[in-house]
Amino acid sequence: DVKVTQSSRYLVKRTGEKVFLECVQDMDHENMFWYRQDPGLGLRLIYFSYDVKMKEKGDIPEGYSVSREKKERFSLILESASTNQTSMYLCASSLAGWVQPQHFGDGTRLSIL
Amino acid sequence: GENVEQHPSTLSVQEGDSAVIKCTYSDSASNYFPWYKQELGKGPQLIIDIRSNVGEKKDQRIAVTLNKTAKHFSLHITETQPEDSAVYFCAAPEGSGGSNYKLTFGKGTLLTVNP
Repeated sequence: DVKVTQSSRYLVKRTGEKVFLECVQDMDHENMFWYRQDPGLGLRLIYFSYDVKMKEKGDIPEGYSVSREKKERFSLILESASTNQTSMYLCASSLAGWVQPQHFGDGTRLSIL
Repeated sequence: GENVEQHPSTLSVQEGDSAVIKCTYSDSASNYFPWYKQELGKGPQLIIDIRSNVGEKKDQRIAVTLNKTAKHFSLHITETQPEDSAVYFCAAPEGSGGSNYKLTFGKGTLLTVNP
């Protein structure tokens, strides 16, 4: 089974802090994704990566950056955390190629105070 | 980009009844339609998907139907059980080309199965 592991289930940070969310997958998937999930808004794509050191902006990249130095690890960075970034963050991975299912981690619930 | 609308936002059924959730999409080139189930405290899990070369796919009590002309697809759950209670998301990709794709998700349906 594919396993996508997010390093923290819950995280509390202060406004202005630099925050790192880590995600690791164990199935040698080429694609990795970061989503944000908010009530009534569903899942919104922040960034995705289709290869090491490659990244593309999703629908809501403002205030975020990403890093993918190794194939199995994809990090989401909040450069200067703000209260409107309080949310559930979900990481996913998939094989390369068209129509490949995405496999999700269990999420990190981030609170910015 | 793709626009996906999902209805209803909440659905309550009695155990044993059927549940139907419907999604519409805007990009006529889309050709892959997954459904995800998200239980409380968990990430979304793929439960069934359909590709545009078929009109229906079944897996035990779950089925998905696709109408490409009308650009809508539906999730059908028969003989619902309390463990089916969860949030369900549909999704569609942006376009049909390229080697990497992005999914646009519906806003989700909270299904409650009452014992």
